[in-house]
Amino acid sequence: EVQLVQSGAEVKKPGESLKISCKGSGYSFTSYWIGWVRQMPGKGLEWMGIIYPGDSDTRYSPSFQGQVTISADKSISTAYLQWSSLKASDTAMYYCARGGSYSEGDFDYWGQGTLVTVSS
Amino acid sequence: QSALTQPASVSGSPGQSITISCTGTSSDVGSYNLVSWYQQHPGKAPKLMIYEVSKRPSGVSNRFSGSKSGNTASLTISGLQAEDEADYYCCSYAGSSSYVFGTGTKVTVL
Repeated sequence: EVQLVQSGAEVKKPGESLKISCKGSGYSFTSYWIGWVRQMPGKGLEWMGIIYPGDSDTRYSPSFQGQVTISADKSISTAYLQWSSLKASDTAMYYCARGGSYSEGDFDYWGQGTLVTVSS
Repeated sequence: QSALTQPASVSGSPGQSITISCTGTSSDVGSYNLVSWYQQHPGKAPKLMIYEVSKRPSGVSNRFSGSKSGNTASLTISGLQAEDEADYYCCSYAGSSSYVFGTGTKVTVL
């Protein structure tokens, strides 16, 4: 069974760094893309970027380029989303999802989401 | 890269058909047959309903269908059921290895 299990909720202060994770299982982790999607409270979905763990090819939405870093450790089937300096506006639910069964951006399996709260 | 435009809400009675539009530009929806649709129930992760404009993943009801004309894609739900009440998002390839979601549509079953 394909599963994406994300790390737990985080509460951080502005300016702090953070790295959240997404562990894949039940499929060949290096043969599919992993994408990240933001959903701010009460708002819609926003496409952040994707990574191909097989060769670490990474692509970002222009809206998120330079704001976050997407990475992956294929040895432990885990993808990451990280911030070097959080802002209050980063408060949101973050989902990871698997792409590549069709196109790289078609997400057929999703994680449960990680809620990130940034508040002083 | 701006979000694709969807109506904020669409409603229908059980058994009816509804259509949700997704309007982009010639740089995204109009240029690629890479439009997908997601269903999201409150508090849940999204679910892929349509990919490549009109294809359904295995397990998705054939009551869901997609199409595209010019810069506008559409999702039609036929035989509306109570369980279809959810938020729906379109998504399109936007070039430069990036995708963009729509603004989202809340579907209400009356």
